[in-house]
Amino acid sequence: SQKIEQNSEALNIQEGKTATLTCNYTNYSPAYLQWYRQDPGRGPVFLLLIRENEKEKRKERLKVTFDTTLKQSLFHITASQPADSATYLCALLGRSGGSYIPTFGRGTSLIVHP
Amino acid sequence: AAGVIQSPRHLIKEKRETATLKCYPIPRHDTVYWYQQGPGQDPQFLISFYEKMQSDKGSIPDRFSAQQFSDYHSELNMSSLELGDSALYFCASSQRDGYYEQYFGPGTRLTVT
Repeated sequence: SQKIEQNSEALNIQEGKTATLTCNYTNYSPAYLQWYRQDPGRGPVFLLLIRENEKEKRKERLKVTFDTTLKQSLFHITASQPADSATYLCALLGRSGGSYIPTFGRGTSLIVHP
Repeated sequence: AAGVIQSPRHLIKEKRETATLKCYPIPRHDTVYWYQQGPGQDPQFLISFYEKMQSDKGSIPDRFSAQQFSDYHSELNMSSLELGDSALYFCASSQRDGYYEQYFGPGTRLTVT
């Protein structure tokens, strides 16, 4: 069955450093991969989408890579700030089964210490 | 900018009762999605509507039903509530040609006692 793996352990980093979060998947060939931010008790907020034929995408301090051979996406936040502390979810869409409804991972909690 | 509106924000019900959750999508968004998120879990897709017609169905229990009305707002009706239905319920909306960028509402926290 399709599986999305994100590190369940919280990532603790110091302010100003680069945070790197990992999303691995199996039994899936997505057409798109998304990253969302979710704060406690609130709805996910869309951050970035990357297509299967794209290797890298950037938006301000965010960078996403997508390696369809390794079946892995890396999400980087450069010059991290305490306000970046949240849970980050990856989601896969399309291709397998044909649905473009996002299938979410459980997310990784990021804690940025001042 | 207008966001997705959900009501109520909190709801407490007893087992076997019914509940109705409402969602008002962003204006001009033609697709609405419903998700259920348990504590520490990923959002689980329940059902979606495109132009008021059901378009995709996920893990929605038979006890639940949903519809989208002519003004594009959507309602999730939940009957014979069980303790396991306690969760955050999110509604999201998008434009079909919007590169699958979904905008989530603040959620309704349902507690079944």
